[in-house]
Amino acid sequence: DSGVTQTPKHLITATGQRVTLRCSPRSGDLSVYWYQQSLDQGLQFLIQYYNGEERAKGNILERFSAQQFPDLHSELNLSSLELGDSALYFCASSPQQDYEQYFGPGTRLTVT
Amino acid sequence: AQSVAQPEDQVNVAEGNPLTVKCTYSVSGNPYLFWYVQYPNRGLQFLLKYITGDNLVKGSYGFEAEFNKSQTSFHLKKPSALVSDSALYFCAVRDDNYGQNFVFGPGTRLSVLP
Repeated sequence: DSGVTQTPKHLITATGQRVTLRCSPRSGDLSVYWYQQSLDQGLQFLIQYYNGEERAKGNILERFSAQQFPDLHSELNLSSLELGDSALYFCASSPQQDYEQYFGPGTRLTVT
Repeated sequence: AQSVAQPEDQVNVAEGNPLTVKCTYSVSGNPYLFWYVQYPNRGLQFLLKYITGDNLVKGSYGFEAEFNKSQTSFHLKKPSALVSDSALYFCAVRDDNYGQNFVFGPGTRLSVLP
């Protein structure tokens, strides 16, 4: 158990809908990262927050957004969902920006 | 921009034999290199990292990796493989010229045969 929690574990929704994925980092970790893992694209870095501020953006679509709250938990919002958004979404946290990341168990999103 | 290659999709090794999972990288600045392992239906677990210092890095579960700057490689090794090492292995790099963007390799599936 990494200490990073993600909810929900599974999510099934229809195209065009909007969902919110939640992540609680390890106690004391200031940095949160979001990744998308799909069979055809591998593990893609989406976005990083550090102590509430956005620090890096990867291959994140405009339909996706995220934020990190004062209590350091983070939410990833996915809107106007498409079939191709079906994937595993991982959150990871680290104490500082150059440290190793600890991954949560992931949220499996299925868009039908 | 930084990139990571894992040239082998699959590595098969017999239990008790040494294993190597290859990783090469491309960065413009100094590399920060990581290895992670993913077991089925689980998140990634950190194995080891190279930031600076000794080129040979030791990590969890008996794994080690050697940073080779001239060959831009960071291969993962273990002297004696276990069946329980069978999993998906990811190499990752952060280029200190590109802020906090981490790039992961495509992954290498390791199968250790009894």
